[in-house]
Order: sequence, then C-alpha cells, then structure tokens
Amino acid sequence: KNQVEQSPQSLIILEGKNCTLQCNYTVSPFSNLRWYKQDTGRGPVSLTIMTFSENTKSNGRYTATLDADTKQSSLHITASQLSDSASYICVVSPLWQGGKLIFGQGTELSVKP
Amino acid sequence: DARVTQTPRHKVTEMGQEVTMRCQPILGHNTVFWYRQTMMQGLELLAYFRNRAPLDDSGMPKDRFSAEMPDATLATLKIQPSEPRDSAVYFCASGLVPNRNTGELFFGEGSRLTVL
Repeated sequence: KNQVEQSPQSLIILEGKNCTLQCNYTVSPFSNLRWYKQDTGRGPVSLTIMTFSENTKSNGRYTATLDADTKQSSLHITASQLSDSASYICVVSPLWQGGKLIFGQGTELSVKP
Repeated sequence: DARVTQTPRHKVTEMGQEVTMRCQPILGHNTVFWYRQTMMQGLELLAYFRNRAPLDDSGMPKDRFSAEMPDATLATLKIQPSEPRDSAVYFCASGLVPNRNTGELFFGEGSRLTVL
C-alpha cells in the first residue's frame, strides 16, 4: 500500500475556478510535508513545505493545509489560470530517514479556457 | 540563478549500450538524489549521497546501475547494459540537508532515456 495517496488522479476545471487536491498519508513520524508542481517535461518545483506542527502555508494562489491528526493534507488553488495545468505531487519526509522523501502519484490538473 | 543541471536532456540508445547521465548540483548543497519517473510508478528514489558519500542505493538494480559522486560538482548515474525497461525520465535533485530535517530540494529538468 502506498504511504502517500493522492486524489483525484486527474481533474479538469475551467479557468478562473477554484479547486482542491487531496493527500492522505500513513508516514509517521514525519518531518515535513511538501507540495510540488511539475509541468510537462520539467522537473518538480516546490510550492509549499509544512512541518508537522504547521496547519497551513500559502504561496500566492496556492494554499496548503495539514491535519496531522487525520494525516491529511490539501492543496487549494484559487482563481485557476491556464498555467496551473500540471501535475501536483504530495511528498512526505519521514523523520530520521536522512532526507528520504515519500512521493504520492500526483494529481494531473488541466485548466481549460 | 542557481539550479541543478542535468545532461543529456534526451538520450535514445539501443538495448545493451552503456548510458551515463550527469548532474551538477547547486553549489554548496550537501545532498544529491537520483530519482526515476515513469507513468506507472511515479517518482522512485534510486540513490542518494550526503557530502559525496553514498547513503542509500537500495532503489537501484545493483547488477546494472551504478551511481557515483567523483567530486562535489558532479554526480553520475550509469546503466550498463541498458534495457528497454530502463526507459524513463531520470531526475537529479540537490539540497542542503541538516541531520534531522529535510531542507528544500531542487530538481533538475531531467534526462529522458529511451532504450530501444
């Protein structure tokens, strides 16, 4: 069973709309949880990093939340733009693992005009 | 601005050939990771180094893959002999990692390998 599960697998929304991506994890204990954006043909780029004690972190139109009790995180995108079309990957860093990361499978977001 | 540089960006080769991928991490970063990404498996860790010393290469097929850091500015991933199932995008990432937490990781643009 994957330690980091993301949903939905893919999502299509209209430009200007909001959306929320979900991440459930079983990794415990963990040091931090990250969200990455990966454009087609490019490397992943970090959007947010939250430690286990943080509940929310924003980066422009991107807002990540973390509930360590339920082991859930979400990434909310506000007023979507065509350039938001990408894969969004939830990543958890286990504590005491020397920097290793556990990746989710990603959510493929497509923003249509 | 500082970034992780990977070469080649694209490589097409025939089964059985040796493939070497190179990565120049960001200057000053002490940790370098090699990942492989496929549609089916997503991002998988192959190996990583801390201060040039290999920490974990359990994700690599040992019989054909090898990873090295001959110096602080160069990490290499070699496949010999290559097989069609090795076709994937290989990413290098570097970061400055303290002992207990994972710092920000910066990914290169990847090397897309196709083995025919």
